Amino acid sequence: EAGVAQSPRYKIIEKRQSVAFWCNPISGHATLYWYQQILGQGPKLLIQFQNNGVVDDSQLPKDRFSAERLKGVDSTLKIQPAKLEDSAVYLCASSLAGKTQYFGPGTRLTVL
Amino acid sequence: DQQVKQNSPSLSVQEGRISILNCDYTNSMFDYFLWYKKYPAEGPTFLISISSIKDKNEDGRFTVFLNKSAKHLSLHIVPSQPGDSAVYFCAARGGSEKLVFGKGTKLTVNP
Repeated sequence: EAGVAQSPRYKIIEKRQSVAFWCNPISGHATLYWYQQILGQGPKLLIQFQNNGVVDDSQLPKDRFSAERLKGVDSTLKIQPAKLEDSAVYLCASSLAGKTQYFGPGTRLTVL
Repeated sequence: DQQVKQNSPSLSVQEGRISILNCDYTNSMFDYFLWYKKYPAEGPTFLISISSIKDKNEDGRFTVFLNKSAKHLSLHIVPSQPGDSAVYFCAARGGSEKLVFGKGTKLTVNP
């Protein structure tokens, strides 16, 4: 069974630029999550989707971050404009409802 | 406000010995706890979990203990192997699927 796929694996941008990350969850997993992991911290949930509807986006900085999950499968997370403090690893995870979350390898973002 | 705390940033043990990783939580609404292992440049991998109705769950070399009254859980790895060297994250959830993670403990198992 294929795992959660993410791309790109690494991205370096300058502040005020925009960036987008892509995630393909495990086949059949209706729930998809985006996490931000800053160096030295644990992952922090940004947004949770159930199919293509948002369940929880309470910790998503909506002035600059946006996410969508069209057709209830793939998802993209966008940052526009990026700030220095957005430098982090962005992790995508998926799960069957109420079950264990499985993580992708993450995208390491560096904002200069 | 850190609801899940892993107070030891690092732990070093000898191969074959027991590794004990600790985790404390403050939110009494948490009812399900998980441990994830993370290697460099990879995403976290699920290791083991425990429901609040239990006080122990075992899977091979890995055992998780839960002390609800103390709001404390621990992960025991016996015997420890060099391949266990990784960062271990404790996570908790309660009432929803949202996971709250600790900061992680870096385990080094020396041959």
